[in-house]
Amino acid sequence: KQEVTQIPAALSVPEGENLVLNCSFTDSAIYNLQWFRQDPGKGLTSLLLIQSSQREQTSGRLNASLDKSSGRSTLYIAASQPGDSATYLCAVSGTYKYIFGTGTRLKVLA
Amino acid sequence: ETGVTQTPRHLVMGMTNKKSLKCEQHLGHNAMYWYKQSAKKPLELMFVYNFKEQTENNSVPSRFSPECPNSSHLFLHLHTLQPEDSALYLCASSQDRQETQYFGPGTRLLVL
Repeated sequence: KQEVTQIPAALSVPEGENLVLNCSFTDSAIYNLQWFRQDPGKGLTSLLLIQSSQREQTSGRLNASLDKSSGRSTLYIAASQPGDSATYLCAVSGTYKYIFGTGTRLKVLA
Repeated sequence: ETGVTQTPRHLVMGMTNKKSLKCEQHLGHNAMYWYKQSAKKPLELMFVYNFKEQTENNSVPSRFSPECPNSSHLFLHLHTLQPEDSALYLCASSQDRQETQYFGPGTRLLVL
């Protein structure tokens, strides 16, 4: 049974810092891994999708890496801004099934 | 705006009520999903539809009944819910299983 863990559960950093969010999963047989952002009381916004054959994806200040063999992914956020404050979720997919982690609550202080 | 809309955005219902949640996607996707998000728990997949056919029922109680009349619309019919069913219900769609899932804003449900 696939389990997804995200560490840390919460993170508070000053504006401008570079930071890394971690996601680990127990079953390496995945189709892809997706990082989402969720603002309080809102739906999820997709940030990056990494297919199982890829090692990383980049979008603006975000870079996500995937190491299937070790069951790990990281989301790197460069030059953090207060607008980055949100909960970040990773999800790994099997056949039509996404398993989500519990998320990392990020607060970027101005 | 992700192209996935959900109505209503907020719903309060008693345990004996019957209500329905609606999801519509304008992205031409083939797969649609219902998720439940409870406080301090991971997002839980409830149902998956692919080309209007249900492909996944993740051991969801029968008081939740999904309906997918076409590939653009998905409903979740609610009947005799319990207070512990109070949660944010999220709908998502994707082109296929290997593609990005796009989420709607969710329906915040409170069962009294």
